[in-house]
Amino acid sequence: NAGVTQTPKFQVLKTGQSMTLQCAQDMNHEYMSWYRQDPGMGLRLIHYSVGAGITDQGEVPNGYNVSRSTTEDFPLRLLSAAPSQTSVYFCASRPDRWNNEQYFGPGTRLTVT
Amino acid sequence: EDQVTQSPEALRLQEGESSSLNCSYTVSGLRGLFWYRQDPGKGPEFLFTLYSAGEEKEKERLKATLTKKESFLHITAPKPEDSATYLCAVQGVTGGGADGLTFGKGTHLIIQP
Repeated sequence: NAGVTQTPKFQVLKTGQSMTLQCAQDMNHEYMSWYRQDPGMGLRLIHYSVGAGITDQGEVPNGYNVSRSTTEDFPLRLLSAAPSQTSVYFCASRPDRWNNEQYFGPGTRLTVT
Repeated sequence: EDQVTQSPEALRLQEGESSSLNCSYTVSGLRGLFWYRQDPGKGPEFLFTLYSAGEEKEKERLKATLTKKESFLHITAPKPEDSATYLCAVQGVTGGGADGLTFGKGTHLIIQP
């Protein structure tokens, strides 16, 4: 089991560029989510999915889109990058919405200049 | 709105010097309280889930306890490899965007040999 994998590990974007952060899990988990982690702040939920084809917004969704076409993959898209989106992004999964033992990926460190 | 406050922000101990980390929370109906360990440049690693006041869980040198207002992570005779940031999170009945977790800012623990 690879668990939760994320690519890329590091990325630098210019303001206005778009990109997709990839996330995949091989544990057949139904529930997946994206968090961002900023210095001096706790992890904050961006978007989540309770199963393939179902997504919803978390605490800080503005500027991000997600889709869930398969159980395994949950990409996060930045539509037009802004410096305020400079952060470390973590993807997480857990078996379902009722099972709260959550597994995190290694993170993507994104810098927007 | 669910809230989590962790203290202290940073703690430096000598190897073998036991101590406790605090996590105070307010939540609209607690579904679970979680402790994670995060090493630099990595994603959070799940440690414990606590569900109700009075519950305790142990893993090696770590012991987590829960009351109605706070949780403690007790570290007994720590070793340098216990150095990490320890994150506390809660899952409330209605908080965090449909079963998302509300995280504290973490306690950065350093164990000196």
